[in-house]
Amino acid sequence: KQEVTQIPAALSVPEGENLVLNCSFTDSAIYNLQWFRQDPGKGLTSLLLIQSSQREQTSGRLNASLDKSSGRSTLYIAASQPGDSATYLCAVRQGGSEKLVFGKGTKLTVNP
Amino acid sequence: EAGVTQSPTHLIKTRGQQATLRCSPISGHTSVYWYQQALGLGLQFLLWYDEGEERNRGNFPPRFSGRQFPNYSSELNVNALELEDSALYLCASSLFLAMVQETQYFGPGTRLLVL
Repeated sequence: KQEVTQIPAALSVPEGENLVLNCSFTDSAIYNLQWFRQDPGKGLTSLLLIQSSQREQTSGRLNASLDKSSGRSTLYIAASQPGDSATYLCAVRQGGSEKLVFGKGTKLTVNP
Repeated sequence: EAGVTQSPTHLIKTRGQQATLRCSPISGHTSVYWYQQALGLGLQFLLWYDEGEERNRGNFPPRFSGRQFPNYSSELNVNALELEDSALYLCASSLFLAMVQETQYFGPGTRLLVL
């Protein structure tokens, strides 16, 4: 059974700092991995999707990497801003499956 | 292009009642997924519908059920509500072409409170 873990559960940083969020998964036979952002009480916004054959994806100040063999992914946020404050969720889609398995998220607070 | 929409945004019920949640997928998407996000438990997969058929369900009791209509919109029904059913229910939609599922796009959710 696939399990996804995100560390840390919460992170508070000053504005402008570069930061890394971590995601690990137990079964490396994944189809893809996706990072989402969730604002309080709201739905999910997809940030980056990495296919199993890819090593990283970039969008603006965000960079996500994937090391399938070690079961790890990182989300790098450069020059953090208060507007980046949200919960970041990592989800994996298993090969041959249609459902996403989510981690519990990292709650990020960027202080002005 | 409109995204995934869900209604109502908030729903308050009492224990034992039934709740009906609705979801409209992105135009052209045939697959609809339901997830439950309960406090402290993270997002859990509930149900997947495609082309009007239930294709898979997560580890939830039968009192969680739903259906998908010919226009691909979907309803989630929760019978005999229990206090622990209080959660944010998220709907997502995707294309499902040639047995390959594409990226899931999520709606804003329905927050269900059971008193």
